Amino acid sequence: VQLQESGPGLVKPSETLTLTCSVSGGSISNHWWSWIRQSPGKGLECIGSIYYSGNTNYNPSLKSRVTMSVDTSKTQFSLKLSSVTTADTALYYCARAIVAVGSSYFDSWGQGTQVTVSS
Amino acid sequence: SYDLTQPPSLSVSPGQTASITCSGDKLGDKYASWYQQRPGQSPVLVIYQDRERPSGIPERFSGSNSGNTATLTISGTQAMDEADYYCQAWDSRLVVFGGGTKLTVL
Repeated sequence: VQLQESGPGLVKPSETLTLTCSVSGGSISNHWWSWIRQSPGKGLECIGSIYYSGNTNYNPSLKSRVTMSVDTSKTQFSLKLSSVTTADTALYYCARAIVAVGSSYFDSWGQGTQVTVSS
Repeated sequence: SYDLTQPPSLSVSPGQTASITCSGDKLGDKYASWYQQRPGQSPVLVIYQDRERPSGIPERFSGSNSGNTATLTISGTQAMDEADYYCQAWDSRLVVFGGGTKLTVL
């Protein structure tokens, strides 16, 4: 399976960051799909995950600002992060999550897209 | 919140064994995964569920997890193994990553 992130590379403070991940080479069904970001100061951080049916699981530290959605007809899923600050500047990855009993890991990753928050 | 701690760096000579540790409270009661990230590239899963290797990952990569420590072992380390390595666990349905270990092969 291949994943490709898309979206604006520059977002103004207080605005909403919107990213889309396109899935190809495999089915979007029956899987969890995740957004993970990487910044020099905080390493890898899982923003949250969405099941193909629409169930979500968000990182509590970001939950109030995060909305994820999935469009199975387009084999895409999306991230909206509201009220961004410079602390949200990071490389954003989409990934496929494998969830089993007591286990969750990411077996496929996109190439990542850099998002900078600046006026 | 649950924390995973890794040493920031580790150096190893080519052909030697590299052991990268990841510490967390009762980590042995959870499953650990490991990712390799070469400069400018996306992370790649190298170990999942403590000791399972995905297809295409060389046999020199192995993992273990007991007590409070998970360990990624690279036997016969090669220059191409120079990268950042991250551990990851799942706690109360939350994904947690370690801070990463920079492996230098010299």
